[in-house]
Amino acid sequence: DSGVTQTPKHLITATGQRVTLRCSPRSGDLSVYWYQQSLDQGLQFLIQYYNGEERAKGNILERFSAQQFPDLHSELNLSSLELGDSALYFCASSEGQWENEKLFFGSGTQLSVL
Amino acid sequence: DQQVKQNSPSLSVQEGRISILNCDYTNSMFDYFLWYKKYPAEGPTFLISISSIKDKNEDGRFTVFLNKSAKHLSLHIVPSQPGDSAVYFCAARLLTNFGNEKLTFGTGTRLTIIP
Repeated sequence: DSGVTQTPKHLITATGQRVTLRCSPRSGDLSVYWYQQSLDQGLQFLIQYYNGEERAKGNILERFSAQQFPDLHSELNLSSLELGDSALYFCASSEGQWENEKLFFGSGTQLSVL
Repeated sequence: DQQVKQNSPSLSVQEGRISILNCDYTNSMFDYFLWYKKYPAEGPTFLISISSIKDKNEDGRFTVFLNKSAKHLSLHIVPSQPGDSAVYFCAARLLTNFGNEKLTFGTGTRLTIIP
C-alpha cells in the first residue's frame, strides 16, 4: 500500500460528459502529480501541484483541469469527454516540490468513455 | 516524440535465470534514470535508480547499468523469481528551467517469469 488513495477505481461515462477524479496523497506529502496511461503508451505527465499551487504542466488538454485543496487532496476534472480520453489515470505524491526519485503512486482510476 | 523507449513490450524468462530489460533514450540532458515496477490493479512502485554520473547501481537482485554514449540503460534481475512478474517502466528525469524536474516514462515491458 503506497498510502496514496484514488477514487473511484473505475468510471464509465459517455462522450461529452464531465468527470472528477480524486486523489488523497500520502500523509505529509505536499506534491501531487497526475499521469495518464493510454493503451500501449507510457505514463504521460499531466500536471503537478505543490502545496496548493500549480508547479508544472505537461501534456494536459485544455478540457482537463486540476486543483489541490488546502487539505492537500487533489481533483482532476475532465470535461467534454472523447473516446480517446479512455485511459488509466494515476495520481502520485512526493514529499517535496521536485519530482524526487521516489514517487508514490495510487492504484489508478480506469476511465472508460463510451 | 517518445524520448524514452522500451522496445520490447514483453519478455519471458525461466525462474532462476537472469532477466534483462532494456531502455533507450534520446535526450542527452536526462540526469537521472529510474525503474518502476507495476503489478496488475496497482500503481507503479519505485524499484531502483541511477544518476547519470554513474554507470552501475546495484540493490540486491537488481542492478541497473547506464551506457551514456549509447543512451541506453538496462535492468538486470538475477536470479529471477515468480514474484518479479510485472510490468517494468523505465523513466528519465530532466531538469527543466527554474529547477523544475520532469519524469518521462517509457511504455513498459511485461516480464513473465516461468516457474
